[in-house]
Parts: sequence; C-alpha cells; structure tokens
Amino acid sequence: EIVLTQSPATLSLSPGERATLSCGASQSVSSSYLAWYQQKPGLAPRLLIYDASSRATGIPDRFSGSGSGTDFTLTISRLEPEDFAVYYCQQYGSSPPRFTFGPGTKVDIK
Amino acid sequence: EVQLVESGGGLVQPGGSLRLSCAASGFTFSSYSMNWVRQAPGKGLEWVSYISSSSSTIYYADSVKGRFTISRDNAKNSLYLQMNSLRAEDTAVYYCARVYSTERRVYYGMDVWGQGTTVTVSS
Repeated sequence: EIVLTQSPATLSLSPGERATLSCGASQSVSSSYLAWYQQKPGLAPRLLIYDASSRATGIPDRFSGSGSGTDFTLTISRLEPEDFAVYYCQQYGSSPPRFTFGPGTKVDIK
Repeated sequence: EVQLVESGGGLVQPGGSLRLSCAASGFTFSSYSMNWVRQAPGKGLEWVSYISSSSSTIYYADSVKGRFTISRDNAKNSLYLQMNSLRAEDTAVYYCARVYSTERRVYYGMDVWGQGTTVTVSS
C-alpha cells in the first residue's frame, strides 16, 4: 500500500511569493494517477492538477505540478490572497485498488 | 450547472446505521465513476469507496470494508452509501466526488465535489 507524505506541514508566506509544496510516495506512483487539490475552510476540495502536471479546468496558470516516481511538487508562482488554503496530493493505486491522500500542507499568510 | 448534492447525514448512536445520498445534475451521471470521501473534524481527507459507472467495479477502504456499501441508480442520477455498524471514528463530513474522465480515459482525480453531509456517531 502506497503512503503519501507532504512537506512542509505548514508554509508561511506573503502574497506575491512563490510556494513550493512537496508530495512524497513510499513507492513509485504513476504520474498518470497523481492529483493535487486545494481546500479552504468549510468548503469542499477543488481539483487543481491531474496527471501530475495538467491543470484542471479553470485553474490559473500560476499553479503548476511536476515530478515523477516518488517525488512530486506543486508550485504556486506568485501567491494571491485567495491561495491561502490547505493543499492535498492524492494518488490512485491499482494494487490494491484504492485512492490515497497525503496529510496536507497548509499555506498561511506570514 | 454541474452539481452534486449530498443528504442523509445526522446524529446516530454507535452501532447504528445511516444511508447517505448524492444527487447529480448537469452531466451524464451514468458515464462517470464516483467516490465517497470523508473528512473527520480538523483532519485530512480520507477516501471511503469507489464505484464504476456501471456498478461493475466497487472498492472500499479497509477502514469501512464489511460495514459500508456503495451503490448507484443511474436512472435516478443518484449515488448512495449505506453505513452500518457505525463507530465514533466514522464521524466526519462525507463528500461525494466525480472521478474525472473524458472519452479517451479515466484520470482518477476528482473534479466535481458536493458540499458534504455531516455524520456524527455519538451516544
């Protein structure tokens, strides 16, 4: 069973700064099955990135995903006020078949 | 508008049962696989169960296997989660979520989410 870790747990930054969030997997993950989500308090998660690097519909291009194997990264090039939230990575594994979320990274205002 | 609306949450005693529903609109429900995902208070996201578009393939998280049953009625554009033998640790907001796919392939991200329904298991 694949376990996802995310670092850092909290990232304190100012608007306009660059945010780099990491997601690590205990075993190699197919890039086709790696996604990133944003969640704000009291709201449902929102899909940002699928296939490790493809932006979902309507997602601004300041969000980008990269990585392969066991190391994946979500980058927010210039933080906007609305970007302060919790970010989760998620993978789908076929053996056994299941979806797994990382513990999340909170991006808060410095 | 593409939308998912959950219902059926509430307060239930340990050992009790609850049935959650998720009503889909604005898209061809029968073409998409669906998930249930939950979030305990102050915690992260936990996948609960998956059902394919035709109900032919179903998966469960180990934490709910044998207690929860996922199902769907494509004629009614609805997804369900029957929860039995509920425990305190099942207390969470439960979301239904659509598995992102196109005509070409399934991407296994979840692109449409409901607003969630709260389940509280307590005596």
